[in-house]
Parts: sequence; C-alpha cells; structure tokens
Amino acid sequence: SQTIHQWPATLVQPVGSPLSLECTVEGTSNPNLYWYRQAAGRGLQLLFYSIGIDQISSEVPQNLSASRPQDRQFILSSKKLLLSDSGFYLCAWSFRGSYNSPLHFGNGTRLTVT
Amino acid sequence: GEDVEQSLFLSVREGDSSVINCTYTDSSSTYLYWYKQEPGAGLQLLTYIFSNMDMKQDQRLTVLLNKKDKHLSLRIADTQTGDSAIYFCAEIGSNTDKLIFGTGTRLQVFP
Repeated sequence: SQTIHQWPATLVQPVGSPLSLECTVEGTSNPNLYWYRQAAGRGLQLLFYSIGIDQISSEVPQNLSASRPQDRQFILSSKKLLLSDSGFYLCAWSFRGSYNSPLHFGNGTRLTVT
Repeated sequence: GEDVEQSLFLSVREGDSSVINCTYTDSSSTYLYWYKQEPGAGLQLLTYIFSNMDMKQDQRLTVLLNKKDKHLSLRIADTQTGDSAIYFCAEIGSNTDKLIFGTGTRLQVFP
C-alpha cells in the first residue's frame, strides 16, 4: 500500500530565515505530487504540483519554491520567510496518468513564522 | 476559473443528521470528492461521486449530486461527536490533475 510522509510536523522559524519542508511517498512510482497551504480558518490553496522530476508548476506567485530531486520526493523551500508564510502546509500525491485520481494527503506541517 | 463554495459552519446535535452543502462552477467536473480534516491533521478522503451519478451511499454517508444546479451535498446520518471536523468538497475537471477545493465547512457536534 502507498504511504506519504511529511516532516517536520511543526516548525517555528524567525522572519528572514530559510525553510525546507520534505515529503516522500512510498509504495508507488511516478506519482503526481502537490503542495497545498491552509491559512488559519481558510480553505486550501494549491501552491505547486509536479507530474515528474523537474516538472513543477507554480500556481501562485510567492517567495516559496518547490523541487523534486527524486521521483517520490517533493521539497518546499524558501530563502527568506515572511510572516505571511505562516500556515499549515500539506503535501499530497495522486496516481499519474489517471485523470480524476483522488489526492492522498500527508499529516501536514504547521509553520509559524515569528 | 473554477470555483467551489461551501458554508463555513454547521452545528448539529449528536444523533441528528448533518447535511453539508457545496456548489461548484466547472461544468466539466467529472469527479467530486468529500474530504474530512480533523484538528491538526491532514485531509482524509471520505467518499467521491462520478458526475453521471445522482446519489452514492456509503454506510452513514450519502452523497447527492445535482449536476444541473452544480450542487453537491454530504449527509451524515446519526452524527457522532467523532464526526466533528472540517469537511471539504473538491472537484476535478476533465483532462486535469488538479483538484479544486472548497473553503471547508466546520461541523460541530454537541451532545
């Protein structure tokens, strides 16, 4: 069966510091990978999605970036965090090439920028 | 662009039925999903319905789809305190890998 791991679970970082959140998927190959952000009391905002290594689409302009160094690894980064980057970050995967495949989510990372 | 809307809050008494509503705008939606998010956790897929279906039942959950009005609902029978969570509807159009999520409905169940 497939599993998705996301870490860390919580993170407190000062403004201007770098960020690296990691997500890995096990039990499947060539997954679609996604990063979502959920601001407090708000819905989900798609940040990035990837259909393959070095194939990453950015959905919203921001100071965040994403990379996919391996097939089942997805990393969310920032060089300098802003207060507005605080939120709950969720990684997700779906089967590639299977349109309408549901997303399966990790447990999320709660980021607080102070 | 695509848009999915939900009411923000719903409060029900334990044992009653809950109905969470969702409207969407993308007429090419092929699948519609309901996710549950418990506090501090990720999203858990509850159920889904294909756009050529009107209804799907899965134990205590009933999904109704009115494609003409682009309206989706999730009914939870015999609501329990463990059902307290945020419920998201989501839709996906044809030939796309991206789910569009609603804003989420916070369901509170009181004894």
